[in-house]
Amino acid sequence: DTAVSQTPKYLVTQMGNDKSIKCEQNLGHDTMYWYKQDSKKFLKIMFSYNNKELIINETVPNRFSPKSPDKAHLNLHINSLELGDSAVYFCASSMSRSSYEQYFGPGTRLTVT
Amino acid sequence: DQQVKQNSPSLSVQEGRISILNCDYTNSMFDYFLWYKKYPAEGPTFLISISSIKDKNEDGRFTVFLNKSAKHLSLHIVPSQPGDSAVYFCAARDLRAGNKLTFGGGTRVLVKP
Repeated sequence: DTAVSQTPKYLVTQMGNDKSIKCEQNLGHDTMYWYKQDSKKFLKIMFSYNNKELIINETVPNRFSPKSPDKAHLNLHINSLELGDSAVYFCASSMSRSSYEQYFGPGTRLTVT
Repeated sequence: DQQVKQNSPSLSVQEGRISILNCDYTNSMFDYFLWYKKYPAEGPTFLISISSIKDKNEDGRFTVFLNKSAKHLSLHIVPSQPGDSAVYFCAARDLRAGNKLTFGGGTRVLVKP
């Protein structure tokens, strides 16, 4: 019974394409996040939504756009993919916007060729 | 600007002995510190946390120590078991920045039987 799930797990695509990664949590949490783990293995926050409201928007190219249709889902759309977008993207959730414990999904490995 | 640093990229320890993982931070606004464990191809899983007003928190074989004046924390695993072999990430929470977690670069732990 997966708490935070992401699809797809692996995504290989060419430069210039547009792609989406989906995230769903069944924990009843109010807050969801997207993190990027780069080639140096650092996990960095990209976005955070609380009850469909954007609360964190780090310095991320505007080719990246999060979309939250409801509080259980937070999708990541990436336009005009570039080689440097290759990374592992993790979705996470927390009970509320003040809960420090965040639960992570399994990650989506994106490879741009 | 790395606000959270794990200076040891790897650690090898004999089964039954103590594993000590270290983490340094620079931002005095961090109010919670967390340790996450990560297996390959999986998302990070929460291990243990400590509030900035505490100096020790213990949970079974895992103990986290915080030295606020030195801006340093450590995770002790006693006794180490082969299943503890994983990458451990130190993370720090800044609630005023939207419940953002800032991660260190991780320490790979290998526990030898």
